Amino acid sequence: DQQVKQNSPSLSVQEGRISILNCDYTNSMFDYFLWYKKYPAEGPTFLISISSIKDKNEDGRFTVFLNKSAKHLSLHIVPSQPGDSAVYFCAASSHTGTASKLTFGTGTRLQVTL
Amino acid sequence: ETGVTQSPTHLIKTRGQQVTLRCSSQSGHNTVSWYQQALGQGPQFIFQYYREEENGRGNFPPRFSGLQFPNYSSELNVNALELDDSALYLCASSLTGDGSPLHFGNGTRLTVT
Repeated sequence: DQQVKQNSPSLSVQEGRISILNCDYTNSMFDYFLWYKKYPAEGPTFLISISSIKDKNEDGRFTVFLNKSAKHLSLHIVPSQPGDSAVYFCAASSHTGTASKLTFGTGTRLQVTL
Repeated sequence: ETGVTQSPTHLIKTRGQQVTLRCSSQSGHNTVSWYQQALGQGPQFIFQYYREEENGRGNFPPRFSGLQFPNYSSELNVNALELDDSALYLCASSLTGDGSPLHFGNGTRLTVT
């Protein structure tokens, strides 16, 4: 049972344009959501997070939106840069669960083209 | 400030063997967790250690076990290796273990033949 889903395995965006990565979840106990970026041969790197008490969090070029009623979150990257090309994982956790237990999606490979 | 380091980077084992993977937590972090990432999948939570005690476990059999040492470094042991254990094993550390954000190492790629 996939509790966190990233239905787009890949996305290609032109440099300078907006990249939108989507994530859906099914477990209503999730109350904290994170995005990680992963380059080949490296571990995931934390990018941005959002608590369920918010619907938007912004950090530079990266913005995460949370729609709790739809159990949907998205990551917007504006403007996209070639260095953003990586696999992006959505992850979720519950404050009632094990502290470090993150449930990850299967990832979306973003390619930013020149 | 040193990050999370894992060793070895790559490992090949035969089915039925045992393996030990090692992790040094990021400086100042007291909680370590281990994840398994199979090909084409997201990382899956194996277990977490805090103050040298297992403090939460995912859906993995008992042949997956771990240790955390007083210096907060950690080991993941897998007994009776199976072909499906082939994966990237990621160690992550955090300060309070509150789940956010975890700092990951670069992982150990385990191949079971």
